[in-house]
Amino acid sequence: QKEVEQNSGPLSVPEGAIASLNCTYSDRGSQSFFWYRQYSGKSPELIMSIYSNGDKEDGRFTAQLNKASQYVSLLIRDSQPSDSATYLCAVNGKIIFGKGTRLHILP
Amino acid sequence: NAGVMQNPRHLVRRRGQEARLRCSPMKGHSHVYWYRQLPEEGLKFMVYLQKENIIDESGMPKERFSAEFPKEGPSILRIQQVVRGDSAAYFCASSDGASAYEQYFGPGTRLTVT
Repeated sequence: QKEVEQNSGPLSVPEGAIASLNCTYSDRGSQSFFWYRQYSGKSPELIMSIYSNGDKEDGRFTAQLNKASQYVSLLIRDSQPSDSATYLCAVNGKIIFGKGTRLHILP
Repeated sequence: NAGVMQNPRHLVRRRGQEARLRCSPMKGHSHVYWYRQLPEEGLKFMVYLQKENIIDESGMPKERFSAEFPKEGPSILRIQQVVRGDSAAYFCASSDGASAYEQYFGPGTRLTVT
């Protein structure tokens, strides 16, 4: 079983809609969870971190964590073309990264 | 600019040469992580260092690769006798605590082995 799994996509979402990105992890003892955004040819950029169950909102981004089900998700409201990127889910320890979900916002 | 710095940004080496990649962490950060990213692949953890100590090198190949983070100066990732399969983007990240803390990435070094 892979440690951190994401749907590779691409996930196509119309401009202005909500983009929903999901991630599951295998280590039930994980405590810290991160979402990074990576534009093509660039380095990952931290956009959200979440440590406890529930929702955490920051602007148009909402991270959701469910430790019992071992999943973490990222919602992007009012999606913009500039949100088109690969989104990486990361889990603490050695910071294990998923392979990322390519998000494409359709203008 | 107090961000993570990496140099060189691009490095070309012939097979068999050595590659040295440097990383200066964000100001105030004493934890450094190295990752490798192959084209169309995810980030792979290589090594985690604190000043003068290697904390976790479980992701680093046993041969040809080494890393250090001296008391003074940048962290160095060294690849000896490079092969074509070493061609990748190498990213350094830093944090101000243990690995549970948020990591901030440098711009990366793109290594091409010809």
